Formats: sequence, structure tokens, C-alpha cells
Amino acid sequence: DAKTTQPNSMESNEEEPVHLPCNHSTISGTDYIHWYRQLPSQGPEYVIHGLTSNVNNRMASLAIAEDRKSSTLILHRATLRDAAVYYCILRDVVDDYKLSFGAGTTVTVRA
Amino acid sequence: DTGVSQDPRHKITKRGQNVTFRCDPISEHNRLYWYRQTLGQGPEFLTYFQNEAQLEKSRLLSDRFSAERPKGSFSTLEIQRTEQGDSAMYLCASSLTGGLASQQYFGPGTRLTVT
Repeated sequence: DAKTTQPNSMESNEEEPVHLPCNHSTISGTDYIHWYRQLPSQGPEYVIHGLTSNVNNRMASLAIAEDRKSSTLILHRATLRDAAVYYCILRDVVDDYKLSFGAGTTVTVRA
Repeated sequence: DTGVSQDPRHKITKRGQNVTFRCDPISEHNRLYWYRQTLGQGPEFLTYFQNEAQLEKSRLLSDRFSAERPKGSFSTLEIQRTEQGDSAMYLCASSLTGGLASQQYFGPGTRLTVT
């Protein structure tokens, strides 16, 4: 499995942006970058994914470095409901059926 | 569409007993996945089905574990002769298709406690 590295935790104030970094220096050319999050006492939920270009959806934005060795998930205005564990996951052609979760980043949002 | 559902949500059992969990995926989703999550860790893949066929099994899935998806709809995960190390959250997910861009939808999980 390709590996990702994320900070263990991050804190943010409500209504401020949150930038969650992810390093994936061993990424291959066909690997997709996915982000999922897990709210307390719930199963993970999909946030966003990308391959090479930056992506936006209603939940977040994904900024991918030009060399693809790192990416950043951006929550534009954090709310208390965004407090969760955020997982950065690489999906490769060998194991395309599964999600390989690491420990993720625990995001705390202060009111 | 009510999402992925799992039953029961919580199960407490004594060591050595058998337990069975059920997962109902989103209707029309061809793929169904099982993951296990222990406290403080991310989920770990166990197995997945394409329709009724079980296509992959992780090394984590010992001989005491068996999963079925008899008609390509709901799935069951059975653990025989439970051990304390089996205590975990068991998560089910489904997806409409496979592929690197596909999205998996997770259920709320079944929390198993083996005493």
C-alpha cells in the first residue's frame, strides 16, 4: 500500500479555514488521492478525491501539489460539526477495491 | 435511499460464543465491504463482495470469520468462538461500482465487546 503521513491533530476556531496537510511522497502516477472523515460514533464518510488537478465540492477543496507528493484538504469555514478524524488515503490500481486508512488527523473546532 | 444500515449496533458476548452481524447496503450497489476498527485506529479492510461473489479476503480474516452475501443484497459476517481480541467496531460499506474514483458509503457500524 502507498503510504500517507498526516499530523495527529489540529485545532481550529469556528468559522475559520482549516488546512489539513497530507504527505504521500511515494505516490505513483495512477494513484488517486481520497479524503474521508469520521465523526464521533459514526462510520467514515467520503469528503473529496482528486488525481492531479485541484478539486472543489460542497464540503471542501482539495489542493494537490504539482509533483503530487503532497496535498491539502481545505475546509473553508469550520463549524462544530466538522470536528472529526480526517483520513488521507491513496487508492492504487493493485488494491483498487479497498480503502487503506492510516491514523488520520483529529480536528478539534473551538466555538 | 436510507443509506447503509447495520444490525445490531452493539453486541456484548462472552468469549467462545458465536456472533453474526448483518449489513444492508444501499440498494443497487454492487459492491459490499467489511472493515474492522479498533480504538484509536483507522478502519482495516477485511473482505469485499462483487454481487454475491467474495473476491478478496484480508489476512486479518482468520478461519473463525466468515462472510456471505447470498443473493447479492444484504451480507452477514459471522465470528465463531469469539476471543477478546475480536472486540472492535465492524463497519460495512457499499459502492455502486469499483475503480479508483469510486466512493464507498459506510454504515454506522456494529460495536462488538467480548468479555
